Amino acid sequence: EADIYQTPRYLVIGTGKKITLECSQTMGHDKMYWYQQDPGMELHLIHYSYGVNSTEKGDLSSESTVSRIRTEHFPLTLESARPSHTSQYLCASSDPGQANTEAFFGQGTRLTVV
Amino acid sequence: AQKVTQAQTEISVVEKEDVTLDCVYETRDTTYYLFWYKQPPSGELVFLIRRNSFDEQNEISGRYSWNFQKSTSSFNFTITASQVVDSAVYFCALSSYNQGGKLIFGQGTELSVKP
Repeated sequence: EADIYQTPRYLVIGTGKKITLECSQTMGHDKMYWYQQDPGMELHLIHYSYGVNSTEKGDLSSESTVSRIRTEHFPLTLESARPSHTSQYLCASSDPGQANTEAFFGQGTRLTVV
Repeated sequence: AQKVTQAQTEISVVEKEDVTLDCVYETRDTTYYLFWYKQPPSGELVFLIRRNSFDEQNEISGRYSWNFQKSTSSFNFTITASQVVDSAVYFCALSSYNQGGKLIFGQGTELSVKP
């Protein structure tokens, strides 16, 4: 059973608002990731972190930003939400102790910007 | 470049039928890992299996089985005697050894099992 949590599960917000999507894990994993999943189902990596104070952009360009001040917490922020940001955002973490071990995913945040 | 292709966008079967989900991958790396995840309607991705590139043994877990063939760069997933609870979107994913756990996903296959 994975111990990774995302809040909120669903969010409907107006254009121009600042939002933060929360992601927390209790497994002590150093590696954490954010994936964006469009309505067409495909997932793309937008941010990742290999530990505290380490963040990198993923393969898909995103206007969001992330921070990693604590091992267990990896929030994603949009300074000014737009309708094009409407998507599902999935957070994941993995154990660095083994090579390319499986990632555990949260339940996702479904964001709608109106 | 790395790529994962799941050519079947949607599959619909009747309960108790066997169904195979195809996955073809591309990578130039010699050490890599392949995964299957299930995404039920609730939205989270549930890990099903991980395979490294040096282990071509097929695996069976209950009604699930996986066929890994490096010669054809394929990692197919078969559900035997499908059930309604198997209805979900299934993703195949690839990660290279030097990519630090980052996953390249296929487009996903939506499986619908009808009673």
